[in-house]
Amino acid sequence: NAGVMQNPRHLVRRRGQEARLRCSPMKGHSHVYWYRQLPEEGLKFMVYLQKENIIDESGMPKERFSAEFPKEGPSILRIQQVVRGDSAAYFCASSPRGGPGEQYFGPGTRLTVT
Amino acid sequence: AQSVTQLDSQVPVFEEAPVELRCNYSSSVSVYLFWYVQYPNQGLQLLLKYLSGSTLVKGINGFEAEFNKSQTSFHLRKPSVHISDTAEYFCAVETGNQFYFGTGTSLTVIP
Repeated sequence: NAGVMQNPRHLVRRRGQEARLRCSPMKGHSHVYWYRQLPEEGLKFMVYLQKENIIDESGMPKERFSAEFPKEGPSILRIQQVVRGDSAAYFCASSPRGGPGEQYFGPGTRLTVT
Repeated sequence: AQSVTQLDSQVPVFEEAPVELRCNYSSSVSVYLFWYVQYPNQGLQLLLKYLSGSTLVKGINGFEAEFNKSQTSFHLRKPSVHISDTAEYFCAVETGNQFYFGTGTSLTVIP
């Protein structure tokens, strides 16, 4: 059973471009979580999704950021008009039922905005 | 909201010496506790977790942690560290389907 997969692992974007980060959960997992890790900081929760539904987006910036988890395919975290402050590592975790202690983390996507 | 405090941002320790990495959290109401390790440019690897039961939890690579409800702490310990333990360690609390992470402790093992 493959683990949580994220791609790309490294992404470079110029200011103003769009960034799309993908997360493929573990087989059988229908819950996905996105976290952001800024330099020298811990991970911070962004959004929690189930298939076709956003359950909790309390950690998402109000503008430029969006997330989806369609019925088919990976979860996508989209950042429009990126700025230098968006440079960070973005981690995805998946869970089979959304219960405690069941989140498995992917290797992350490191976004660099130049 | 939950907060997680890792008081020591950097911990240098000599090889084969014991180490304790401290973690305190703000509320003990229905929380689950975790320690993760992150090697440079890699993702998070779960070291151990406390969901319920015995307050002393044993994890991988010889690490263990003790849940202390009265002190709202979950300190990580290892009796004898190796060079390969050099990494960033994160304490995390899960409550209400959200993870709250500490800012991390950088453990450096000195030969």
